[in-house]
Amino acid sequence: EAEVAQSPRYKITEKSQAVAFWCDPISGHATLYWYRQILGQGPELLVQFQDESVVDDSQLPKDRFSAERLKGVDSTLKIQPAELGDSAMYLCASSLQTRGTEAFFGQGTRLTVV
Amino acid sequence: SQQGEEDPQALSIQEGENATMNCSYKTSINNLQWYRQNSGRGLVHLILIRSNEREKHSGRLRVTLDTSKKSSSLLITASRAADTASYFCATDEAQKLVFGQGTRLTINP
Repeated sequence: EAEVAQSPRYKITEKSQAVAFWCDPISGHATLYWYRQILGQGPELLVQFQDESVVDDSQLPKDRFSAERLKGVDSTLKIQPAELGDSAMYLCASSLQTRGTEAFFGQGTRLTVV
Repeated sequence: SQQGEEDPQALSIQEGENATMNCSYKTSINNLQWYRQNSGRGLVHLILIRSNEREKHSGRLRVTLDTSKKSSSLLITASRAADTASYFCATDEAQKLVFGQGTRLTINP
């Protein structure tokens, strides 16, 4: 069964360092999402791609976060510099299209900033 | 931004009982989805209901949608220990998939 792949599963980084997460969506899925989830809360949308174009990044802290989806396939989310408050689960999901279809989630990357 | 708000925030019931969770949202939607998340894992899609549907079933799950009240409910019948998880509703807001804060469901044996 096709899955959304994310790496790494866990990451510990020091404050002010750079960190990057990678996501490989299900083949053929045009829409890719990056969410941040703080323990006990719901996923917060950081950025949404349709193919290689950004549909929404209104909640992405652009002074330190960046996301790209070159060639409209896999995607990288980067944080530089990391802050203590960035400790969270970062979830990637993909869907066939933006509306009316279910999203498939990866297992997430648990980030701890020390 | 959080479009949906689930109620209650936490629910604890005995195995075999039914569990009902509610979701309210603010803007017009094309569809509403429910997801489950086991501790420390990714979310798993449960069911999607379109704005022109009022009720939908999938196994032990029953979802209702009332667009006039901007609310939805998820009913899990004959609960099992394996149903222990967090449940989230998600709506399509301006072509974004936006989640609520979730209901944490605990099934006691």
